[in-house]
Amino acid sequence: GAVVSQHPSRVICKSGTSVKIECRSLDFQATTMFWYRQFPKQSLMLMATSNEGSKATYEQGVEKDKFLINHASLTLSTLTVTSAHPEDSSFYICSARGDRDAFFGQGTRLTVV
Amino acid sequence: RKEVEQDPGPFNVPEGATVAFNCTYSNSASQSFFWYRQDCRKEPKLLMSVYSSGNEDGRFTAQLNRASQYISLLIRDSKLSDSATYLCVVTITGGFKTIFGAGTRLFVKA
Repeated sequence: GAVVSQHPSRVICKSGTSVKIECRSLDFQATTMFWYRQFPKQSLMLMATSNEGSKATYEQGVEKDKFLINHASLTLSTLTVTSAHPEDSSFYICSARGDRDAFFGQGTRLTVV
Repeated sequence: RKEVEQDPGPFNVPEGATVAFNCTYSNSASQSFFWYRQDCRKEPKLLMSVYSSGNEDGRFTAQLNRASQYISLLIRDSKLSDSATYLCVVTITGGFKTIFGAGTRLFVKA
């Protein structure tokens, strides 16, 4: 099956710093990638939809200046959490859409201290 | 109202039991439907797609009712390894938006 690689799987950073998360589709081209955030014991919440070569579409309540998304190629999308705060600590998951199904990266557990 | 709503959990069932999960969606432009399984602290994994004609994969049966905007998942002969959170997922027409339900937690006990 299709593989989506997300890196890093775990990161701890200091408050005020920025963290970049990469999402790669390894064996298919993904014109659309999705970024989700999941807090403990809650479901995935869509943050933004990223289309290759264009600006991401952010969900209501998600700060686009804080969560920078770049989708420069058909196989790579990045999410940068800028000026991270402890409340940004969460599980971030990307998803790349193939022909019909969506495939997920392994997720990134971000802890801001 | 949430765009995708699922049965509240958790469901606690003995091994061998049959358990059913329900999911409703509100957007009539919903195009594709899926059930995902998520184990604790892991990424969701596709369990099965849901087709209008209904589909079955071993012990799992999924059904879709477009008129009622309702999706179901039936698990027969539950195994301990079925313990997980089951997520109902809906993709809006055009594939540009995928919405997850809150998930239903299933505990299968010996």
